[in-house]
Amino acid sequence: GNSVTQMEGPVTLSEEAFLTINCTYTATGYPSLFWYVQYPGEGLQLLLKATKADDKGSNKGFEATYRKETTSFHLEKGSVQVSDSAVYFCALSTGANSKLTFGKGITLSVRP
Amino acid sequence: NAGVMQNPRHLVRRRGQEARLRCSPMKGHSHVYWYRQLPEEGLKFMVYLQKENIIDESGMPKERFSAEFPKEGPSILRIQQVVRGDSAAYFCASSPSGTGRAYEQFFGPGTRLTVL
Repeated sequence: GNSVTQMEGPVTLSEEAFLTINCTYTATGYPSLFWYVQYPGEGLQLLLKATKADDKGSNKGFEATYRKETTSFHLEKGSVQVSDSAVYFCALSTGANSKLTFGKGITLSVRP
Repeated sequence: NAGVMQNPRHLVRRRGQEARLRCSPMKGHSHVYWYRQLPEEGLKFMVYLQKENIIDESGMPKERFSAEFPKEGPSILRIQQVVRGDSAAYFCASSPSGTGRAYEQFFGPGTRLTVL
């Protein structure tokens, strides 16, 4: 079956620090990969996505590259802000209109 | 252009009562998904519906849980005879048909169910 593994958290960083959140996956077929962000008390928002190998998704300074050889989709940001404090979920789906499989999520706290 | 709407946002029930959670998808979206988020865990898929059809219910508990998406009106997730272990955040998502953006699911704000 499909699964997503995220690094253990929580993560606490100072403002302007570099961020890496690891995500690896196992899947049958050729998945699409996603990062979702959840701010306190809210639903999930799509942060970025990649649908094929070597694609790079990017949004709001965040980036992630679909690495088929290492089955990974690590999230990076060069300089985090306090407003980036949230829970980040890595997810995959294996087709249009198919269910998402999520990792456990990781809480990021950014200190001023 | 309203997003995915869920109500109520917070729901408190006593053990043995019924809980009804509602979800209105984004305009033009005909695919609805329900996910459950237990404390300190990620989201787990429950069920995927189109209008008047359940497409995939592989994540639904076998008993007490049911879902529908009628021709008119919102999708409903129904939990009968709730127990404390049902306390969680329940999220609805919707997606359009076709290719391309059909891979994207848009999430509602969730319903936080507390069972006393």
